[in-house]
This record gives sequence, C-alpha cells and structure tokens, in this order.
Amino acid sequence: AQKITQTQPGMFVQEKEAVTLDCTYDTSDQSYGLFWYKQPSSGEMIFLIYQGSYDEQNATEGRYSLNFQKARKSANLVISASQLGDSAMYFCAMRQKGTYKYIFGTGTRLKVLA
Amino acid sequence: ETGVTQTPRHLVMGMTNKKSLKCEQHLGHNAMYWYKQSAKKPLELMFVYNFKEQTENNSVPSRFSPECPNSSHLFLHLHTLQPEDSALYLCASSPGPGDRGLSSNQPQHFGDGTRLSIL
Repeated sequence: AQKITQTQPGMFVQEKEAVTLDCTYDTSDQSYGLFWYKQPSSGEMIFLIYQGSYDEQNATEGRYSLNFQKARKSANLVISASQLGDSAMYFCAMRQKGTYKYIFGTGTRLKVLA
Repeated sequence: ETGVTQTPRHLVMGMTNKKSLKCEQHLGHNAMYWYKQSAKKPLELMFVYNFKEQTENNSVPSRFSPECPNSSHLFLHLHTLQPEDSALYLCASSPGPGDRGLSSNQPQHFGDGTRLSIL
C-alpha cells in the first residue's frame, strides 16, 4: 500500500535561516510523482514543488528545493532564507502513474520566528 | 485567483438542515475531488470524479451526496449531518489520467475550502 510519512508534527526556524521538512514514502511502483503543498491558516492548499520518480535532478522553485533520495524513498523539502510568511502547514503528497489518487502525509506545522 | 472557487467560505448549519457546497474550476481539468480536513487528522479523500463519472467513493456516509453535472462543477449536498462532520471541506481539480497510463506530474489545484460547523 502507498503511504506518506511526515514525522515532524511541528518545526521552528529563525527568520532568514534554512529549514528541512522531512517526507518519506512507500510505494512498489516505479513511476510516481511527489508534491509539496503549503496550507496557511486561511485554509487554501498551495502547490509548491514537484519531483518525478525518474527525474535525476532535484527540483527547485525559488526558495524551495526538494532533496530527493530515491533509494531511501525520501523527498524532503528545503526552504531557504525563511520568511515570516512561510509559517504554515506543509504537506507532502504522492501520485502514482495511472491513478487519480493523491496520497497525503499528516503535515508539518512550520513556525518562523522573528 | 486560484482557478478553483468554492462557495460558501463558511457555513454554520443545524443537524436537520440541508445545504450544498459548490466548487467550480476554470482550469480545463477533467478530474475533481472532495476532501475533508478535520483538526489534527490527515486529509481524507471523499470522492473523485472524472469526466462527470464518479471513480472513487471512500466509504463516505450517505448524508454526503456529491453531484458533478459537468467537468467544471462539483457539488456536495449535505443533509442530517452530525457534529463530527464539522471540518474544512476542500475541493480540488487535476488533469485526468489520460489515455496513456497517466503522467504523474500534474499537481492538484485546490480551492480555498468551506469551513463547516454543525450545531
């Protein structure tokens, strides 16, 4: 069965510092996609970054980068130069090729300190 | 603008009321989803529609009744809800699987959610 595990319920980071949010996944399929979403307190889920299982390079989108280690089945999100507006819940998700289903982790609540 | 619009943003209703949540997407996607997000619980997939056909019903109680009249609109009809149904209800859309085994690289796009409170 497919599963996403986020082991950090909450994290703190000082403004302007970098932070890593952990995500491990479990799947027996070879082709899948990994996603990170941000959910501010207002509720909307905002897509941040995507990593394909066959991508050899780690994905980057501005201050977001994904540390993809396929053998370890981990897809950690790295946020560089944290800002106060980065305080939110962060969800890791996976979609397998050929399906409609996205599997979500339980999320990590990030608090950026001034 | 998110491309996926949900109304209302907030809803308070009694257990005997009937109400509907609406979701509309302007992204040309084929698949639409309803999720329930309760406090301190993972996101729960409720229903999936592709080209107006329901492809997933995740053992959702019959007091939740989805309707998908076309690929752009999705409703969730609510009746005789329970207090434990109070939650944030999120609608999402994505490109469908396609006819070649589906690329997995398409993210879902979410609406802002409806925060539902049952009295």
